[in-house]
Amino acid sequence: GAGVSQSPRYKVTKRGQDVALRCDPISGHVSLYWYRQALGQGPEFLTYFNYEAQQDKSGLPNDRFSAERPEGSISTLTIQRTEQRDSAMYRCASSTVGGAPTETQYFGPGTRLLVL
Amino acid sequence: AQSVTQLGSHVSVSEGALVLLRCNYSSSVPPYLFWYVQYPNQGLQLLLKYTSAATLVKGINGFEAEFKKSETSFHLTKPSAHMSDAAEYFCAVRSGGGADGLTFGKGTHLIIQP
Repeated sequence: GAGVSQSPRYKVTKRGQDVALRCDPISGHVSLYWYRQALGQGPEFLTYFNYEAQQDKSGLPNDRFSAERPEGSISTLTIQRTEQRDSAMYRCASSTVGGAPTETQYFGPGTRLLVL
Repeated sequence: AQSVTQLGSHVSVSEGALVLLRCNYSSSVPPYLFWYVQYPNQGLQLLLKYTSAATLVKGINGFEAEFKKSETSFHLTKPSAHMSDAAEYFCAVRSGGGADGLTFGKGTHLIIQP
């Protein structure tokens, strides 16, 4: 079946603009995770959902970042008033069952964001 | 708090040689450990994971890793490197407390010399 998909794959925006990044998880997956990956670094956890409920948003860097998953499937990560330091690869992952620490997270191809 | 350290941002080996990618972790509770591989322009793909069932874990593409609690390590190995193994490899840890996010190392870029 289809894997995790993300759109757009590339996004170039000007400083101060808002951007919305979309993640479409594997069908039926309960948990959905967002990560940010700066150049030369590993992915950094931002937030995650079980169904539509946001379980942990401790990794969101500031209040310009928000995420939602209103129907428990597709999720949107929104960055308001973008800054150059927001430039990174944004990765989404999903997994079958929420609450199991050994579960495998399946990653999408990522959205590369460049803020000019 | 938990963390992962991957020694060597770049590792170069000859085709057919042993591959050894190092990962050390820090965790206040029994950890669950993962190795992911990232090929160019693709998402991260799980290679293997340690779930406390066995200390020696076998994964895809001939890779394996051994959990050593006394050394807080989870090094990734492959007996014979293939050109197709060239990629970025990430070690990650998750605490036993729940299904929160993974904590990743900075990654190791594996280069295969012909």
